[in-house]
Amino acid sequence: DVKVTQSSRYLVKRTGEKVFLECVQDMDHENMFWYRQDPGLGLRLIYFSYDVKMKEKGDIPEGYSVSREKKERFSLILESASTNQTSMYLCASSTRRNTGELFFGEGSRLTVL
Amino acid sequence: KQEVTQIPAALSVPEGENLVLNCSFTDSAIYNLQWFRQDPGKGLTSLLLIQSSQREQTSGRLNASLDKSSGRSTLYIAASQPGDSATYLCASVYTGGFKTIFGAGTRLFVKA
Repeated sequence: DVKVTQSSRYLVKRTGEKVFLECVQDMDHENMFWYRQDPGLGLRLIYFSYDVKMKEKGDIPEGYSVSREKKERFSLILESASTNQTSMYLCASSTRRNTGELFFGEGSRLTVL
Repeated sequence: KQEVTQIPAALSVPEGENLVLNCSFTDSAIYNLQWFRQDPGKGLTSLLLIQSSQREQTSGRLNASLDKSSGRSTLYIAASQPGDSATYLCASVYTGGFKTIFGAGTRLFVKA
């Protein structure tokens, strides 16, 4: 089974702190994605990566950066967390071969105080 | 603008009922369409994926259909159970899997 693992299920941080959210997939997928999910706003794409060291902005990249040094790992970085970044963060991966099926991790619930 | 719409937003049914969840999309040039389940506070679990060249996919009590010409997909759940209670999202994928448009979901409650 494909497994997408997010390192932290729940985090509580203070305004201004630097936050790292880690995501690892074990299926050699080329594509990896970071979404945030908020009530009433649905899933919104923050950043995605289609290859190692490659990154592309999604719909709401402001206040975020990403890193993809290895194929299996995609990190989301909040340089200076703010209260409006309190959200559920979802990592996903997919392959460009075959079906392109999207697989998600369990999510990371971030609260910024 | 590419959009995915799911109707109804919420649905409550008694256990054992067969039900249909609807998904419509505005751009027929999709790469595939995927249905997900999401339990409260959890990530999305892939249920079924239909390639653009396919008409339907089945897994257990679930059957998903795709009609590109009308821009519609349906998820059929047979003999619903309380454990099926969750939010169901559909998503249309474009251009090799880089761009995915999600619906807002249908929140399903199956009463025992």
